[in-house]
Amino acid sequence: EDQVTQSPEALRLQEGESSSLNCSYTVSGLRGLFWYRQDPGKGPEFLFTLYSAGEEKEKERLKATLTKKESFLHITAPKPEDSATYLCAVGSSGSRLTFGEGTQLTVNP
Amino acid sequence: GAVVSQHPSWVICKSGTSVKIECRSLDFQATTMFWYRQFPKQSLMLMATSNEGSKATYEQGVEKDKFLINHASLTLSTLTVTSAHPEDSSFYICSARGEQGSYEQYFGPGTRLTVT
Repeated sequence: EDQVTQSPEALRLQEGESSSLNCSYTVSGLRGLFWYRQDPGKGPEFLFTLYSAGEEKEKERLKATLTKKESFLHITAPKPEDSATYLCAVGSSGSRLTFGEGTQLTVNP
Repeated sequence: GAVVSQHPSWVICKSGTSVKIECRSLDFQATTMFWYRQFPKQSLMLMATSNEGSKATYEQGVEKDKFLINHASLTLSTLTVTSAHPEDSSFYICSARGEQGSYEQYFGPGTRLTVT
C-alpha cells in the first residue's frame, strides 16, 4: 500500500527565514511525486511534478527535490503570502494519487 | 492553462434532497476526472475516479448509489449527492487529469456543501 508522510504538521516562520518541508513516501512503482499548495476554502494548486531521484524544480521562492525515499520543498526567504498548507502526493498504478496529511505553513511578517 | 471550474462554490440544502455539483475542464480535454472529499484540517480523500463515457470507479466505503457520478463529455463531470443528510456536509473537490499517461491532476476550487 502506498504511503505518504509529511513533516512537520505545522511550521511557523518569520518572514525571510528559510526552511524545508519533508515528504517521505513508499510506493510500488513511482509515477510522479507532486507538490500542491492549498489555501483555506480553496482547491489545491499544482506546484511541481518530480519523476526521478536527483530531479529538482524551482518556482519563485520554492524549490522541490527528490530522492528515492523522500522529497523536500525548500522555501527561501518566505513572505507572508506563502502561508498555506502544502500537500505532497505520489502517483502509482491506476492513475490515482495518494496524498500526505499536509504541512500547514505560517509566515509571520 | 489547465483550469478546472466547479459549480456551485457553495450550496445549502435540506436533509433528504439531492444536490448536483458540476466540474468542468475549461481549456483542456480531461479523459479522467476525480472526486475528493475533504474534512476540516484533514487531507483529501478520494471518492471515485471517472473516465469519459464509462462508469465511475468508487473507492472502498463510498456508496455508489448515494454519490452518483456522470462523466458525459471530455470537459464535464457531475457529482450528485442523493438524499443528502447532515453527515454528507463537507468540502467536495474535483480534479482532472489531462494528457494520457500523465499523473498530474488539476483541481477545481471546491464546493462547500451544508445539509441542514
